[in-house]
Amino acid sequence: DTEVTQTPKHLVMGMTNKKSLKCEQHMGHRAMYWYKQKAKKPPELMFVYSYEKLSINESVPSRFSPECPNSSLLNLHLHALQPEDSALYLCASSQEAPDFNSGNTIYFGEGSWLTVV
Amino acid sequence: GNSVTQMEGPVTLSEEAFLTINCTYTATGYPSLFWYVQYPGEGLQLLLKATKADDKGSNKGFEATYRKETTSFHLEKGSVQVSDSAVYFCALIPDPTGGGNKLTFGTGTQLKVEL
Repeated sequence: DTEVTQTPKHLVMGMTNKKSLKCEQHMGHRAMYWYKQKAKKPPELMFVYSYEKLSINESVPSRFSPECPNSSLLNLHLHALQPEDSALYLCASSQEAPDFNSGNTIYFGEGSWLTVV
Repeated sequence: GNSVTQMEGPVTLSEEAFLTINCTYTATGYPSLFWYVQYPGEGLQLLLKATKADDKGSNKGFEATYRKETTSFHLEKGSVQVSDSAVYFCALIPDPTGGGNKLTFGTGTQLKVEL
């Protein structure tokens, strides 16, 4: 089973709202990721958690706040977003982070489509 | 730095045609190489991978061979179907000894297969 589950699939939020995206995997993976994907572009890395600790933050604005409550769960808290933040947000996981082993495959979820109005 | 270059799309083919999507990379050492596919409105799915030189990854009739000498990982399929219409991303994860620690994507190639 190589499943990464994301909820919700679609989210519409106002610029003053606070919402969260959730991600879950039960593959025993120790690395989890958030990516942002705009239309017709490849995914862009936002955050990497390795062994439940934030290891990479790609200079993401503070209106995006990641949280890793345990090794199976990853959240992305959203607050005061802008319309240009509308995108597909992809969660992913791998056995270990690429720092340790480049051969690990990164598995992606179906994504959460976010629209900021 | 590490980079992946893919052929520009869209690529439009008739059903049962032969498919090649070119992918070349720049990276030190021996990166792992991947092809991901994204169907309309969906997330990314791993299509195939290769972790060392001369390895051939294959899945669902698609295959790609890791060519160290030409730094390439071209995707091929002998007979495409309408259901193969999607965006295909070539990607690499660097060798940990070669610097870099992220999955690096190409720009993606859109494939359209018509009846």
